[in-house]
Amino acid sequence: GEDVEQSLFLSVREGDSSVINCTYTDSSSTYLYWYKQEPGAGLQLLTYIFSNMDMKQDQRLTVLLNKKDKHLSLRIADTQTGDSAIYFCAEEVLGNSGYSTLTFGKGTMLLVSP
Amino acid sequence: KAGVTQTPRYLIKTRGQQVTLSCSPISGHRSVSWYQQTPGQGLQFLFEYFSETQRNKGNFPGRFSGRQFSNSRSEMNVSTLELGDSALYLCASSPSFAGETKGTQYFGPGTRLLVL
Repeated sequence: GEDVEQSLFLSVREGDSSVINCTYTDSSSTYLYWYKQEPGAGLQLLTYIFSNMDMKQDQRLTVLLNKKDKHLSLRIADTQTGDSAIYFCAEEVLGNSGYSTLTFGKGTMLLVSP
Repeated sequence: KAGVTQTPRYLIKTRGQQVTLSCSPISGHRSVSWYQQTPGQGLQFLFEYFSETQRNKGNFPGRFSGRQFSNSRSEMNVSTLELGDSALYLCASSPSFAGETKGTQYFGPGTRLLVL
């Protein structure tokens, strides 16, 4: 079955880089996503990577995918206090119904201190 | 464009009661998905509706049900509430065009349900 694992907590200082890691088990995943959730809000899609890519950069965000090890990471450069939130990784898998679903990790709480 | 709206935002119920949550998708979006978020289990997929039909379902008991109306608005219902149903219920809408990925989903702010 599908399972997505993340570390639960990360604390960094403002200006440092943050790296949030995620592992997944379903090798048939098509896309992998990173979402951000701020208090009292829904999920906001940050970035995504197609499963046949190994890296994607988007401004301060860098996504690395190691498909062999089923390992995904999100690096946030020059982390700011406004980046404090819960970050979820998710994999998209095509189901038996012919439609795809998302399986989420439990989320990593990122705390950025000034 | 207005975002995904969910009502109510907060709800308190007691065990054994039933509850109905509502989700209005972004205008033009035809697919609505529901998720349950709890600290212990994280985010889990409940079901997805498209054109008033359920086209995908997660592993939840039959107490959890939903429906979609012709204007794409969706409701989910939980009957015989249990303490463990306390959660943030998130709805997400997407346009649902051919070949689209789940990355086109936009999430609402959620309804926080507390069961006492």
